[in-house]
Amino acid sequence: AQSVTQLGSHVSVSEGALVLLRCNYSSSVPPYLFWYVQYPNQGLQLLLKYTTGATLVKGINGFEAEFKKSETSFHLTKPSAHMSDAAEYFCAVSRNSGNTPLVFGKGTRLSVIA
Amino acid sequence: DAGITQSPRYKITETGRQVTLMCHQTWSHSYMFWYRQDLGHGLRLIYYSAAADITDKGEVPDGYVVSRSKTENFPLTLESATRSQTSVYFCASRNQGGNYGYTFGSGTRLTVV
Repeated sequence: AQSVTQLGSHVSVSEGALVLLRCNYSSSVPPYLFWYVQYPNQGLQLLLKYTTGATLVKGINGFEAEFKKSETSFHLTKPSAHMSDAAEYFCAVSRNSGNTPLVFGKGTRLSVIA
Repeated sequence: DAGITQSPRYKITETGRQVTLMCHQTWSHSYMFWYRQDLGHGLRLIYYSAAADITDKGEVPDGYVVSRSKTENFPLTLESATRSQTSVYFCASRNQGGNYGYTFGSGTRLTVV
C-alpha cells in the first residue's frame, strides 16, 4: 500500500524567500508522484508529476520537485516566493503499474508574508 | 463547456435525508473518483470507477452509494446523511493510465444539520 507524509501542516515564508514543502512517501513498488495546489474555494490543480525519466521535475508557476528514491522523498521547491503562491499544497502517490487511485497527504498550507 | 462540473456548489441538508451530489465530465475519461476533504485529514477516497458500471470502494465508503450508468456521470448519494458527513466533496477524473494526473471539479460544500 502507498502512503504519503507531508511534514508541516503550515509553512510560512517571506516574499522572495525559498519555498520548501516536504513530502515523503511509502510504496512497495516504484511510484508515480504528484504535487497539487488548491487555492481557496477551488478544486485541486496539478502542479507537477514524476512518472519516469528525469528525477528533477519542473512544473507550473516556477515550482520544481526532485524524486529521491534513496530518501523516499519528493520535496517541492520554488526559489522565490510570491504572494500569489499562498495556498494549500498536496503531495500524492500511486503505483506506477495498473490504475490504482492516488493517495494524498494531509496537505501543507503555505503562507507568504510581505 | 469542456471540463468537469459538480453540482450543487453548496448544499445544506438535515440529518437522515438522502442527498445526491452530481459530477459530470466532458472528456470521456475512463476513471472517475470521489474524495472528501476534511481539516486534518487531507483528501480521502470514497469511491472510484474505472468505467461505466464498474465501481470500487475507497478508504471511507460507509454511508455512501455511487453509480455510473454513463461514462460522463458519476453521482454520489448519501443514503441517510449524518453530521459526520459534513465536508467538502471533490469529484475528479483521468484517462486510462496511472501516469496521468487527475482533473478536479470545484467541489461541493455539504453541511448536514
